[in-house]
Amino acid sequence: AQRVTQPEKLLSVFKGAPVELKCNYSYSGSPELFWYVQYSRQRLQLLLRHISRESIKGFTADLNKGETSFHLKKPFAQEEDSAMYYCALKFGNEKLTFGTGTRLTIIP
Amino acid sequence: GAGVSQTPSNKVTEKGKYVELRCDPISGHTALYWYRQSLGQGPEFLIYFQGTGAADDSGLPNDRFFAVRPEGSVSTLKIQRTERGDSAVYLCASSFDGLTYNEQFFGPGTRLTVL
Repeated sequence: AQRVTQPEKLLSVFKGAPVELKCNYSYSGSPELFWYVQYSRQRLQLLLRHISRESIKGFTADLNKGETSFHLKKPFAQEEDSAMYYCALKFGNEKLTFGTGTRLTIIP
Repeated sequence: GAGVSQTPSNKVTEKGKYVELRCDPISGHTALYWYRQSLGQGPEFLIYFQGTGAADDSGLPNDRFFAVRPEGSVSTLKIQRTERGDSAVYLCASSFDGLTYNEQFFGPGTRLTVL
């Protein structure tokens, strides 16, 4: 069965330091992976998807099929990056399987 | 235009009661999804509509849960004989046509508390 694992529930990083949010998945098919973000008092929104190979708000994520990982990275953290981050896997009829999320706190 | 809206934003009910949760998708979006998010967990898929029909209801936990979308727009999630374990945030999302690469836009959620 498909599963998404985010091993860190909480992550604190100093402003200006690099950020890496870990995500591992298990899926027998060809995966499509996403990162969603939820800022305080806002709704869940798409941050980026692996198929686009884009950088959003300085964040990037590379799909590593060998390690079944899709870690989210940013070289220099900013205070506005503090939020809840969810990794998600799309399968079947476009439904998403989410990880349990990582709460990122940027320390000024 | 407006994003996905959900009503009510909060619902408190007693064990055994019936509740209805409403979702208004983005205009023109044919695909609609319901997810449930329990405390400390990520959203969990419940049901997916393509137009008026439920294309995949494999995530509904049991037959107390039912959802409809009679005109292919607004959807209602119905929970009968609520239990304390049903307490969660219920999220609705819509996408243009449910096909690959189309982004799912989420609503603000309805927080359901069963006492």
